[in-house]
Amino acid sequence: ILNVEQSPQSLHVQEGDSTNFTCSFPSSNFYALHWYRWETAKSPEALFVMTLNGDEKKKGRISATLNTKEGYSYLYIKGSQPEDSATYLCACSGSARQLTFGSGTQLTVLP
Amino acid sequence: EAGVTQFPSHSVIEKGQTVTLRCDPISGHDNLYWYRRVMGKEIKFLLHFVKESKQDESGMPNNRFLAERTGGTYSTLKVQPAELEDSGVYFCASSQGTRIGEKLFFGSGTQLSVL
Repeated sequence: ILNVEQSPQSLHVQEGDSTNFTCSFPSSNFYALHWYRWETAKSPEALFVMTLNGDEKKKGRISATLNTKEGYSYLYIKGSQPEDSATYLCACSGSARQLTFGSGTQLTVLP
Repeated sequence: EAGVTQFPSHSVIEKGQTVTLRCDPISGHDNLYWYRRVMGKEIKFLLHFVKESKQDESGMPNNRFLAERTGGTYSTLKVQPAELEDSGVYFCASSQGTRIGEKLFFGSGTQLSVL
């Protein structure tokens, strides 16, 4: 059973600031790391899926890195905008293929 | 292309009543998953269908929950009788395959409130 931890639980930043948050997971029985962006009452939107140690992915102002040996992933947002406000969810899959989610980081970008 | 759709978006029922949630996956996706988020906690896995077969139902909390996927297309999740602790957001997701690193596409969820 995977245990996925995310920090911080919530975060307020000013428009234009860059920010990052952490997802940690057990490095054993790891297959893939998923990042989702979720706004309440909408579908969680898949941002990245990473599988290999050292993976780095980028989508616009958002990027993510993966360290499977020490069991963590960082999500970075450069130049935060109000529309980036959302809950960012991290999830891991092991051999069972089901996703184990963290509790999320709720980001609020203040104009 | 339509995404994963769920119906209803909201449901308010009384304890002891029955509720049925529906999920239509992305066309052509053989894999369908149910997840739920209760009491503001983590989203948790309920079960996984491959076509019409239950591949993994290890997350189903008890026998008050029944999931079906007749014909391997849409799926229903029935809660009977509903209890207060069943309140939460029920998500459905689908994927084409199950290879490592495959993306799951989620619906917007059904917000269930049991009073």
